[in-house]
Amino acid sequence: AQSVSQHNHHVILSEAASLELGCNYSYGGTVNLFWYVQYPGQHLQLLLKYFSGDPLVKGIKGFEAEFIKSKFSFNLRKPSVQWSDTAEYFCAVNPYSGGGADGLTFGKGTHLIIQP
Amino acid sequence: NAGVTQTPKFQVLKTGQSMTLQCAQDMNHEYMSWYRQDPGMGLRLIHYSVGAGITDQGEVPNGYNVSRSTTEDFPLRLLSAAPSQTSVYFCASSGRPQVYGYTFGSGTRLTVV
Repeated sequence: AQSVSQHNHHVILSEAASLELGCNYSYGGTVNLFWYVQYPGQHLQLLLKYFSGDPLVKGIKGFEAEFIKSKFSFNLRKPSVQWSDTAEYFCAVNPYSGGGADGLTFGKGTHLIIQP
Repeated sequence: NAGVTQTPKFQVLKTGQSMTLQCAQDMNHEYMSWYRQDPGMGLRLIHYSVGAGITDQGEVPNGYNVSRSTTEDFPLRLLSAAPSQTSVYFCASSGRPQVYGYTFGSGTRLTVV
């Protein structure tokens, strides 16, 4: 079975600071990788995803992530954060071999607070 | 196009009561799944379905039943609610997970007293 580890449970940054949230996964085969964001009181929204090809993927709201296969990592980055980025961020995976059909395995999340 | 619709948004149950959380999608998605979200635990998969008539267990299936009689609907049943099932429940669907990922509903906040 696969598992996901997010390094930081709580991160506090000032506006305009750069962001990097760590995500490592454990699985013996090829995986599909996702980052989701959950704004306070809302449902999860897809930020970006990686299935194959260029390991540097760009998502919505200026976010990007880099897949490093040798490190089993899929870290989320943003060059300059805004107060509106305050939210919970989740990394998720599912095995490529299943066609993505059998749901997602999530990390425990990172609570990001941006101070004005 | 409503996306993934979950009802109710809030529910309080007494221990031992039963109820069904509803999930409906209007995107003709084959793949649907249920998760529970608990503080510090992230989201954990309860059950999933790869099409009408086909369901399977996820990471935390105990105490929950599902069925998938139509493509649109994927209800989650609690047969005898326990305080440990107090959580926020999310339903998700996808037509092509490897292309589009999953779309989530707005959640049901359940409290069992």
